Amino acid sequence: AQSVSQHNHHVILSEAASLELGCNYSYGGTVNLFWYVQYPGQHLQLLLKYFSGDPLVKGIKGFEAEFIKSKFSFNLRKPSVQWSDTAEYFCAVNAENQGGKLIFGQGTELSVKP
Amino acid sequence: EPEVTQTPSHQVTQMGQEVILRCVPISNHLYFYWYRQILGQKVEFLVSFYNNEISEKSEIFDDQFSVERPDGSNFTLKIRSTKLEDSAMYFCASSDRGTRNQPQHFGDGTRLSIL
Repeated sequence: AQSVSQHNHHVILSEAASLELGCNYSYGGTVNLFWYVQYPGQHLQLLLKYFSGDPLVKGIKGFEAEFIKSKFSFNLRKPSVQWSDTAEYFCAVNAENQGGKLIFGQGTELSVKP
Repeated sequence: EPEVTQTPSHQVTQMGQEVILRCVPISNHLYFYWYRQILGQKVEFLVSFYNNEISEKSEIFDDQFSVERPDGSNFTLKIRSTKLEDSAMYFCASSDRGTRNQPQHFGDGTRLSIL
């Protein structure tokens, strides 16, 4: 069965620090990859997505992610975080030929100290 | 930006009672989904719906659960006889094409508490 794992449960950073959140998935076929963010009290919002092409994808708010097929990874990065990036971040995978469902990681809570 | 809306935001129900969670997907979307998140656990897929029928469902989505699109705008999740373990946050999502081509847009969720 497909699964998604996020390595960090809770990350605490100071403003201007660099961020990298790990995401690995298990599925041997073609996948579509997503990062969603959930700000406190709000709904899940799409940060960025990868369907095909350039494995380095840029999303909103200065976030980017790199798909490394050989490592089954899709890590999220931001060079300099802000206090407003405090939120929960979810990696999700849709496996091609497996319907439209998203398989989510357990989420990483990011706290940015001002 | 168009949004998926869910009502109510919080539903408290006695065990054994029926509950209906409501969602209004984005108006031109054709694919609809329900997910749930039990406190402290992952967001889990429940069911997907397209062309007025279920296209896929998970093991969680047993005979207690049903979905319906009663009119052109609403998409509902019904739990027939609720159990304590149904307590969770339930998210509705929609997309205008299959996930292969378009991401899903999520609502704010309904927190369901079973007493």
